[in-house]
Amino acid sequence: NAGVTQTPKFQVLKTGQSMTLQCAQDMNHNSMYWYRQDPGMGLRLIYYSASEGTTDKGEVPNGYNVSRLNKREFSLRLESAAPSQTSVYFCASSGRRGGSTDTQYFGPGTRLTVL
Amino acid sequence: QKEVEQNSGPLSVPEGAIASLNCTYSDRGSQSFFWYRQYSGKSPELIMSIYSNGDKEDGRFTAQLNKASQYVSLLIRDSQPSDSATYLCAVGPSGGSNYKLTFGKGTLLTVNP
Repeated sequence: NAGVTQTPKFQVLKTGQSMTLQCAQDMNHNSMYWYRQDPGMGLRLIYYSASEGTTDKGEVPNGYNVSRLNKREFSLRLESAAPSQTSVYFCASSGRRGGSTDTQYFGPGTRLTVL
Repeated sequence: QKEVEQNSGPLSVPEGAIASLNCTYSDRGSQSFFWYRQYSGKSPELIMSIYSNGDKEDGRFTAQLNKASQYVSLLIRDSQPSDSATYLCAVGPSGGSNYKLTFGKGTLLTVNP
């Protein structure tokens, strides 16, 4: 099993450009999450999807949209990128495999720079 | 707003010593607690989870939970240079179907050979 996968690994955008970050998990987890991590700020939740068909805002949702395409896939879209969105983005999932329903497993991350 | 507090460090210990990492949380009703390790440039990986008061041991790692004091800690025995990383404390929700975790900002641990 690959666990949680993310694409791309690195991306450079110009201000105003749009892009979609992709995330997929093969652990049959119900819940998926998008975080951003900035120096000194820790992990901050952007959006999450408790189950297929539902999405909810986290701590820092402004400037982002999400789509839970199916049980496996959860994408994050930046419609008009801003330099403040330069960050490392992590996708995570949680479910019953190998532990409690709330144990989260992380993907490798996407390092995004907005110029 | 739920808060999870950790000393940012860096915490520096010699090889072979015990490293003690601490975390406090604000939501008294929290039910689940996690320690993640994050190497520089990598993603967080789960080390331990703990749900009941007391100690839980896994190899060189021991998690300790005291819900009355709203305190959770991680002890690393026989610390190795490979343990040098940032350790993130995460706290689960107080109930319901909301599985969001609240993360602390992490403690940087350096193990000196």
